[in-house]
Amino acid sequence: KAGVTQTPRYLIKTRGQQVTLSCSPISGHRSVSWYQQTPGQGLQFLFEYFSETQRNKGNFPGRFSGRQFSNSRSEMNVSTLELGDSALYLCASSPTPGEQFFGPGTRLTVL
Amino acid sequence: AQSVTQLGSHVSVSEGALVLLRCNYSSSVPPYLFWYVQYPNQGLQLLLKYTSAATLVKGINGFEAEFKKSETSFHLTKPSAHMSDAAEYFCAGGPQGGSEKLVFGKGTKLTVNP
Repeated sequence: KAGVTQTPRYLIKTRGQQVTLSCSPISGHRSVSWYQQTPGQGLQFLFEYFSETQRNKGNFPGRFSGRQFSNSRSEMNVSTLELGDSALYLCASSPTPGEQFFGPGTRLTVL
Repeated sequence: AQSVTQLGSHVSVSEGALVLLRCNYSSSVPPYLFWYVQYPNQGLQLLLKYTSAATLVKGINGFEAEFKKSETSFHLTKPSAHMSDAAEYFCAGGPQGGSEKLVFGKGTKLTVNP
């Protein structure tokens, strides 16, 4: 089975722009979660989608949003980018409660 | 709220030596506990998972972890370190909040010296 894929792998944006990241889960996995990883804050939960519904959301501003499509693919969007949004964004899919498979991440740099 | 604490942001061992990475969780025991490994510029790879079926959990690459409720610990060990074990290791607990949310420790960077 193919693993979790994330596109693009690298992105460079400037402050004020917006960005959309994409995640394709492992076939058959209906849950997709997003995490932000930074050197200072570590791994922080952004949100989780299951069957196109947001099931949980972390403590991030409204500039961070996401959605899930009927094929379980998910996108996350960050509007009005700030320097502090520079991070590795990880997507994970889950077939059963408690086991998550992570993608390689998208490295976002905000200049 | 559930929390996971990893003691030691950096651990250095010699090749062939015992690896011990420490993890403690908050007393509100999560359903599951995990150890993940991250190599540079990569995502997280699951090493092992505790699901209450057994307190000693064996994972991939020779790693194992023991759940100790009395000490609220879930330390990761490997009897003999290999150069390829150099990476960052994360302890996590979850899921919680009626979703798949995991709470991660801050990570421990393992260096293996020849």
